[in-house]
Amino acid sequence: EAGVAQSPRYKIIEKRQSVAFWCNPISGHATLYWYQQILGQGPKLLIQFQNNGVVDDSQLPKDRFSAERLKGVDSTLKIQPAKLEDSAVYLCATERVTETQYFGPGTRLLVL
Amino acid sequence: EDQVTQSPEALRLQEGESSSLNCSYTVSGLRGLFWYRQDPGKGPEFLFTLYSAGEEKEKERLKATLTKKESFLHITAPKPEDSATYLCAVHLANKFYFGSGTKLNVKP
Repeated sequence: EAGVAQSPRYKIIEKRQSVAFWCNPISGHATLYWYQQILGQGPKLLIQFQNNGVVDDSQLPKDRFSAERLKGVDSTLKIQPAKLEDSAVYLCATERVTETQYFGPGTRLLVL
Repeated sequence: EDQVTQSPEALRLQEGESSSLNCSYTVSGLRGLFWYRQDPGKGPEFLFTLYSAGEEKEKERLKATLTKKESFLHITAPKPEDSATYLCAVHLANKFYFGSGTKLNVKP
C-alpha cells in the first residue's frame, strides 16, 4: 500500500511570496490533516478535512493560509503572502476510521 | 496553556540501558493517546494507541502504558537504531494535540 505523498519536499522563497504544497492521501482514507511543525516542536494542527468538507480550521491563519481538498482526495495548502515565521515543515496526514494517522514525509519551507 | 507535556526533552542512553519517557496531559475527556516515532527529515511514524487507564501496548523493545493523567514509553535494552524523537499526541473532541517530543540518542 502506497503511503502519503507530498510535494515538493523542499521550498525556499522570499517573504511576501506565495507558495503551495500538495498532498496525495492513502487510497480510501477519508480524513486528511495538515500540520505545521516548527523546528524543535511537535506538529500543530492547521486544518482537518473529512472527505472534501472542513471539520476544523480553528488554528489556520486564514488571512494568509488557505487549503482545499477537491473531490475528497488530493489536497493543497497555500500561503500568500509568506512571512519569516512560516518557516517550518508542513506535514500531511491521513486516516481511515481507526484514528491512526499516517504521515507523509513533509515539505520543508524556508522563508528568507 | 500546553495540553501535552513531554519529558525529558532529550535523553542520552548507552546501548542496553533501559529508561522511560513521560507524556503528561491536562485535558479531560481524552479519547485516545498516541505515540509516534520521528526520524530526522521524515514524518512521524505511528507506534501505539492507548484508550483507557491501565492499558498497555508492546512492540519489540517498546512498551507504552497509560494512567489517568500521563503515559510512559518504556524502552528496554535500547539499540542505536532506536535513536529518534518520540512524540505523544492526545485526541480530544476531534482535535489532536502533540507534545514537543523527547529526542532519544542511544550510543553503542
